[in-house]
Amino acid sequence: QVQLVGSGGGVVQPGRSLRLSCAASGFTLTNYGMYWVRQAPGKGLEWVATIAYDADYKDYADFVKGRFTISRDKFRNTLYLQMNDLRAEDTAVYYCAREWGSGSYFDYWGQGSLVTVSS
Amino acid sequence: EIVMTQSPATLSVSPGERATLSCRASQSVSSNLAWYQQKPGQAPRLLIYGASSRATGIPARFSGSGSGTEFTLTISSLQSEDFAIYYCQQYNEWKTFGQGTKLEIK
Repeated sequence: QVQLVGSGGGVVQPGRSLRLSCAASGFTLTNYGMYWVRQAPGKGLEWVATIAYDADYKDYADFVKGRFTISRDKFRNTLYLQMNDLRAEDTAVYYCAREWGSGSYFDYWGQGSLVTVSS
Repeated sequence: EIVMTQSPATLSVSPGERATLSCRASQSVSSNLAWYQQKPGQAPRLLIYGASSRATGIPARFSGSGSGTEFTLTISSLQSEDFAIYYCQQYNEWKTFGQGTKLEIK
């Protein structure tokens, strides 16, 4: 069955970097658009980044543009989020999510990885 | 950006009763509206897509309605496991979420 397993979260100082991973099973990443969505403590859901099924298109929320990079490894069937120059306001649980079809809803979500940016 | 507004912020309902949650879009999203349920410490789970279609495995007590700018999620007879936070999301023009409605036990 479809599974998304996130990893790579942790505590990091401001200005440092962290890479999140999202290992997919039960389907092939290259057939779906994939997203990162975050949720700050006690807050709602916020889109962070997306990569199209063919990886030709990537986009980022303005608040992470130039600092975060979304990518995938088709051989490992794994999605990544490289986060550089982290700020306190980036503290959140980061979820990977699969887009059912282009321009569609999220049908599967990973369990989330907590990133805490603190000195 | 399409802004999604959910009401109320918190809804207190007794088990066995009906719950009605609302979601309004700042402009028409047609029927491109999804509902998600999130329990503490868990990822969101898809409940409804296309405004009214239940996702796989979702009980029939969950139903969605509406189109354009006004949407409703109805839970016909609340079970203990239904108390959670519910988010609407439009995917007509990019994707944006509402701020959520917390459904709590009365």
